[in-house]
Amino acid sequence: GDSVTQMEGPVTLSEEAFLTINCTYTATGYPSLFWYVQYPGEGLQLLLKATKADDKGSNKGFEATYRKETTSFHLEKGSVQVSDSAVYFCALSEEGSTNAGKSTFGDGTTLTVKP
Amino acid sequence: DTGVSQDPRHKITKRGQNVTFRCDPISEHNRLYWYRQTLGQGPEFLTYFQNEAQLEKSRLLSDRFSAERPKGSFSTLEIQRTEQGDSAMYLCASIPIRYNEQFFGPGTRLTVL
Repeated sequence: GDSVTQMEGPVTLSEEAFLTINCTYTATGYPSLFWYVQYPGEGLQLLLKATKADDKGSNKGFEATYRKETTSFHLEKGSVQVSDSAVYFCALSEEGSTNAGKSTFGDGTTLTVKP
Repeated sequence: DTGVSQDPRHKITKRGQNVTFRCDPISEHNRLYWYRQTLGQGPEFLTYFQNEAQLEKSRLLSDRFSAERPKGSFSTLEIQRTEQGDSAMYLCASIPIRYNEQFFGPGTRLTVL
């Protein structure tokens, strides 16, 4: 079955530091890949997505590139802010008769940014 | 705010009681998903509806769990005879047809004492 593996956390950075959160996946077909962010006590918000190989998703300074050859979708940001402190989830979704768009998530990586 | 609402946001119950949660998806979204998220883990798929039809159920969904989506609009998730292991955040998500970006509600946090 499908699976997503994220780098273990928590990750603690100083403000303006460079962020990388690793994500690799296994899937039977050609999934779409997502990063979601979850703030304390809230649901998941889509941060960015990529639907095919070599696509780059970007939003709010975050970027991730769909690498089919390495089955990876690493999240990066050049300069983090305190407000980026949250839990980040990598996920995949496959469209097909058996999967029907449901998502498979990694276990999440907690990011804390200190001033 | 994604436009998906869930009610209640928090529920505390005693073991053995029944609880029911409600999800109101975005009105034009015909697919609706329920997930369960326990502390320190990512959401796990429970069940999925396309319009009013429940098309898939995870093996995580024991016979104490039941979900409905009458008329293809809002959905309810009921847990009978709750157990402490049912304590989790229950998330609802919806998407329109031929689309795979899920819009999540804020979740219902269940605590079973």
